[in-house]
Parts: sequence; structure tokens; C-alpha cells
Amino acid sequence: DAGVIQSPRHEVTEMGQEVTLRCKPISGHNSLFWYRQTMMRGLELLIYFNNNVPIDDSGMPEDRFSAKMPNASFSTLKIQPSEPRDSAVYFCASTFRSQEGLRQGLSQPQHFGDGTRLSIL
Amino acid sequence: AQKITQTQPGMFVQEKEAVTLDCTYDTSDQSYGLFWYKQPSSGEMIFLIYQGSYDEQNATEGRYSLNFQKARKSANLVISASQLGDSAMYFCAMRGGFSGNTPLVFGKGTRLSVIA
Repeated sequence: DAGVIQSPRHEVTEMGQEVTLRCKPISGHNSLFWYRQTMMRGLELLIYFNNNVPIDDSGMPEDRFSAKMPNASFSTLKIQPSEPRDSAVYFCASTFRSQEGLRQGLSQPQHFGDGTRLSIL
Repeated sequence: AQKITQTQPGMFVQEKEAVTLDCTYDTSDQSYGLFWYKQPSSGEMIFLIYQGSYDEQNATEGRYSLNFQKARKSANLVISASQLGDSAMYFCAMRGGFSGNTPLVFGKGTRLSVIA
């Protein structure tokens, strides 16, 4: 089975340019998460969706960041305009919300894509 | 809110030896799940093992086991018979609540180096 697919794997662009990161979750998964990893701050949540609906975007650094999930199989994270401090690895992860009960629901791991390594010059 | 603390920035272990990676957590949730992920130098995040707060038995997955001490709020990862391929960053993470669709909170990670 295909895992979470992220594109591009690497992105190098100049300050001020628009950057779009893409994610295709695992088929059948109904929750999608965007995380950012930096040396200073570690792994931190940016935003997450349940059933394509944004639930919590409090981790989005500022208005330059936006995310969408137009359907169950696709999400984008956009940075406009980009700044050098946005350089990081951006991960998308998906999981399945189990209806079977408490323990089954909590035990569902998040499956991560390979990440996008973003460098803003 | 949840918090994960991993106090060991880096560790070394001899090949074929066992190693314990520490993780303590803090949460006000009654039900929660604890996870360990491995991140090799290639960068991907690999799920290793899960422990639920209501689970009475410590979780095991092959060479990985989780030493869960609820009263002490610790969830240490034990890797038995270390292999060179175990060299990686290891992250402890948790989520609270009642479903699988809440975000994970991660610790800062521990870099494990396995020596031949």
C-alpha cells in the first residue's frame, strides 16, 4: 500500500517567493496533520484536519502560512511570501479515526510522509 | 496540554547490547497514548511502538519494548540486541483524548549511535 506522499522532497527558493507543499494522505485516512521540524524547536504541529475540515491552526506561525484540504486525498501548505526563517523540514502525516472505541482510537499511529526539506535563501 | 521530556540528547551503545531511551510525560488527561518514532539520517519518521494509558501490559514489538510506569509518568523505550541500523534519532510522543485524530506532541528526541 502507498504511504503518505509529499512533494516536492526538496525545495530551494529565494526569499519572497511563494512556496506550495503538497500531501496525499493514505487512502481511507480521515485525519491529516502538518508538522514542521527545526533544530531549535523540534517537531511542532502547524495545523490539522479531520474529514477535510481544519480543526486547529493555532500552530501556523503567521498569516503568511495557509493550508487547505479540498478533498480527502489532497492537502496543500502554502507560504507567501517566504522568509529564510521558514527553512525547515515540513512533514505531512495521516491517520484513521477509529469508531471502534476509546482504546482502538488512541492506538492509531500517525503515518508520516518523507517530508519536504525547504530552504529559503 | 501535554508535554514530553527526553533528557538524553545523545547516547552510545555497543552493538548487540541493550539500550534504554528515557521519556517522561505530563498530562491532565485520564486517557492517553504514548508513541515512539525512529528518524534515521534519511529523514523519514518511522512508527515503532505504542502504549495506551489503560494498558496493563508493557508493549512489545520485536526488539522494541516499552517500560511503562504510569505512576512515575515514564515511558522508556528499550531496544534489545542493538544493531548498527538502529543508529538514528528517537522521538517519544503522546496524545490525549478519546480518538485517534488529535495531534501528537513530541519530545526533543535522543540521538542513538550504535558502535561496532
